[in-house]
Amino acid sequence: EVHLVESGGGLVQPGRSLRLSCAASGFNFNDYAMLWVRQVPGKGLEWVSGIYGNSARVGYADSVKGRFTTSRDNAKKSLYLQMDSLRAEDTALYYCIGDKAGDLEYWGQGTLVTVSS
Amino acid sequence: DVVMTQSPLSLPVTLGQPASISCRSGQSLVHSNGNTYLNWFQQRPGQSPRRLIYKVSNRDSGVPDRFSGSGSGTDFTLKISRVEAEDVGVYYCVQATNWPYTFGQGTKLEIK
Repeated sequence: EVHLVESGGGLVQPGRSLRLSCAASGFNFNDYAMLWVRQVPGKGLEWVSGIYGNSARVGYADSVKGRFTTSRDNAKKSLYLQMDSLRAEDTALYYCIGDKAGDLEYWGQGTLVTVSS
Repeated sequence: DVVMTQSPLSLPVTLGQPASISCRSGQSLVHSNGNTYLNWFQQRPGQSPRRLIYKVSNRDSGVPDRFSGSGSGTDFTLKISRVEAEDVGVYYCVQATNWPYTFGQGTKLEIK
């Protein structure tokens, strides 16, 4: 059975940093691109970042470019999102997604990030 | 970025009646490999999104056959042949042909 478990969310002040993690199991992690998608409570879905299975390509939404860094450790079957210079508008539920060739097949339950003073 | 436009944004439906959601993209979603990466998701209240349809018309395992997807190029449709109470939620289309993937605004289906 596939599991994606996000962690690391919480309350953080504007300008500070937070690191999210996603632990994967039940599928061949190396073969999947991994994505971060966020959702402001009660609002729509926004692609934040993606990383290829071999980390050869990493992409970011314009809204987070230069502030967020995505990485992965295939040996640990883990995905990470380093979020720096956080803003109030980064407040959202952050989902980790397993994506094989554009199918966005596997989703975690999300971890909530709240940026507030 | 590819803009995805859904309509309607609100969809009140009587139980047992059909429902249809449109999704239009700002450019063709046909990939250079010939595939079209247009997916549909359902998000029930308090839950993570669940994929219903991938690559335009392929229904996921466990998804009732009353759900169907169709379309090509820039115009896509999700149809529910007979709405049931468990179908209440928000439906999103998402293009995965190019990074950044982009989502439609969401269509909220409710029972009249």
